[in-house]
Amino acid sequence: KNEVEQSPQNLTAQEGEFITINCSYSVGISALHWLQQHPGGGIVSLFMLSSGKKKHGRLIATINIQEKHSSLHITASHPRDSAVYICAVLDYGGSQGNLIFGKGTKLSVKP
Amino acid sequence: EAQVTQNPRYLITVTGKKLTVTCSQNMNHEYMSWYRQDPGLGLRQIYYSMNVEVTDKGDVPEGYKVSRKEKRNFPLILESPSPNQTSLYFCASSFGEPRVSEQFFGPGTRLTVL
Repeated sequence: KNEVEQSPQNLTAQEGEFITINCSYSVGISALHWLQQHPGGGIVSLFMLSSGKKKHGRLIATINIQEKHSSLHITASHPRDSAVYICAVLDYGGSQGNLIFGKGTKLSVKP
Repeated sequence: EAQVTQNPRYLITVTGKKLTVTCSQNMNHEYMSWYRQDPGLGLRQIYYSMNVEVTDKGDVPEGYKVSRKEKRNFPLILESPSPNQTSLYFCASSFGEPRVSEQFFGPGTRLTVL
C-alpha cells in the first residue's frame, strides 16, 4: 500500500487554466513538501507545509491535517509550468529524517 | 553561489566494480540525504545524515554505504554495484531536518551498471 498517493498521474491543460494537483497520505505527518522536477531532471523545492496554506507567486499549497490531504494549485498556468510535481511527507511516527514520496504528477501546459 | 554538487553526473560501470558518487554543499547545511529515482517507483530515500558522524537508513539502503566525516560532504558508496542499482541518483541538503527546512537538490547522477 502506497503511503503517499498523488492524483492525477498525468494532467494536460491549456495555457491560462487553473490547475489542482492532489496528494493524500495514510500516515500521521509532521511536514509535507511539494517539489517540482523540470523536464531536464532538476528538482526544486516549492513549499514546505505543516498546516494551513502558503502562496508563492502563482502557486498555492494547502494542507488539511485531519483529512490527510494536500493540494497544489497553479493559477494562470503557463507552458513553463510543465514539469513533474512531487509530494513528499515526513512520517510523524518515523524517523525525523525519512521522507516518503509520491510518484509524481506530470503536468503539460499547452500554449 | 549556494549549491549542491554531485560528481560524476553520468557513469557507466560494470557489475562489482566499486564506485563512489560524491555530494558536496556550500551552504553549511546540517541535513544531507541520498535518493534514487526509478520509472514507476518515483523517488526513494537511500540514506540520510542529520549531522557530522550521524547517518541513518532510508527506505532502500541495501547495497549502499555512506559516510559523513565533514559537514559539507556526503559521499554515496556502492561497494559491489549490481544492475538493479542502475538509476538516477539525487543528493539533497537542508539547513535543518525536513520537518522544518526545505530541501536543496543536486543536479543528479545517472548511473548505469552493466
